[in-house]
Amino acid sequence: DAGITQSPRHKVTETGTPVTLRCHQTENHRYMYWYRQDPGHGLRLIHYSYGVKDTDKGEVSDGYSVSRSKTEDFLLTLESATSSQTSVYFCAISDDERTSGYPIRKETQYFGPGTRLLVL
Amino acid sequence: AQSVTQLDSHVSVSEGTPVLLRCNYSSSYSPSLFWYVQHPNKGLQLLLKYTSAATLVKGINGFEAEFKKSETSFHLTKPSAHMSDAAEYFCVVSDGRGGSYIPTFGRGTSLIVHP
Repeated sequence: DAGITQSPRHKVTETGTPVTLRCHQTENHRYMYWYRQDPGHGLRLIHYSYGVKDTDKGEVSDGYSVSRSKTEDFLLTLESATSSQTSVYFCAISDDERTSGYPIRKETQYFGPGTRLLVL
Repeated sequence: AQSVTQLDSHVSVSEGTPVLLRCNYSSSYSPSLFWYVQHPNKGLQLLLKYTSAATLVKGINGFEAEFKKSETSFHLTKPSAHMSDAAEYFCVVSDGRGGSYIPTFGRGTSLIVHP
């Protein structure tokens, strides 16, 4: 299994409080992603990073910010948690791959174990 | 824009019978296609992937999928279901538009296996 850990694994917080989730990898992969998983929606991308200090928004970025100050850590912050942000959050990593006859592509993602967040 | 549709939210089979999980995709480019499996309270694990090589792709645990461009499909199959196959399955498309390779996930299919 890819070396990806998420902390905390479970968190209960109150509406209006800030929350930070951490994703840590030991694979030295370039790309990191934060997803949220909700019933009936599959996984939806919140933010992703394509290098240290390089991040971009995903499909559902409102209310979330991220930071990546070093290769191995990708932080997700809920500035002021709301009940709609109750979810399971997954971190994923990927890296450039070389396929004969094709340019470098980053493809296969490896996922962390998830963080269950409950906002009351 | 790329998109993916998993045609069944739930599939129920008996142990020892074949499994078919259906996935259709839309992409203007040559896509990469993936199937991931998620067991209860776990993260996602790659089952198999298609990246413009052989159209029949074999994965782990006896699963395979066939890329059919004419039908824009990438259905997942297994000849004989096992109780341990009960899980959520996600079909994923990534077409690399703009060099970003940001994948799009289907909504998932829950596979239920009866004894």
